[in-house]
Amino acid sequence: DIQMTQSPSSLSASVGDRVTITCRASQGISNYLAWFQQKPGKAPKSLIYDASNLQSGVPSRFSGSGYGTDFTLTISSLQPEDFATYYCQQYDIYPWTFGQGTKVETK
Amino acid sequence: EVQLVESGGGLIQPGGSLRLSCVASGFTVSRNYMSWVRQAPGKGLEWVSVMYSGGNTFYADSVQGRFIISRDNSKNTLYLQMNNLRAEDTAVYYCARREPADYWGQGTLVTVSS
Repeated sequence: DIQMTQSPSSLSASVGDRVTITCRASQGISNYLAWFQQKPGKAPKSLIYDASNLQSGVPSRFSGSGYGTDFTLTISSLQPEDFATYYCQQYDIYPWTFGQGTKVETK
Repeated sequence: EVQLVESGGGLIQPGGSLRLSCVASGFTVSRNYMSWVRQAPGKGLEWVSVMYSGGNTFYADSVQGRFIISRDNSKNTLYLQMNNLRAEDTAVYYCARREPADYWGQGTLVTVSS
């Protein structure tokens, strides 16, 4: 199975900060990488697919990049509603696998 | 508007069976890849199964041979038949549309315990 490793596991940030989360795949996955946001007690929300394409309705402060094994999710200016846990997922090879999550907390 | 509504979760003893349902509205289940993803209490997301629009299915190794994904086109509903349940199957189960997911249901909690 492809292992997805996110870093950091958690981070503290303030409103307005630029936040970057990294996701590394144990083998190349082309651009078959998605990002999801989840708030406590809620279903995940889809943010990005194919490494860099925003899902409909996702604010432009979210962006994704990367190819192969190394990927990044960036929030250009953190907003109060962005405090949540973020997951990456590869969908190149079954079984699809998720990263362990990155919790973005308020500083 | 796309909506997914799961049901069928509950408390079940080890070795028991449950069938989860995911009723879709705003789109046609049979024309989309549909998947199940679960989340154990306090843990991360784990992919469980997918059904292609053409009917092909795939499963995580942890549920292969015990879980069956299916759909009823007349009801626009996705199912997950879960057999021989184990304590480690305890989780919130989400259904999701497309690959990768673009819409998710609200989830249904399955608790496997004696």
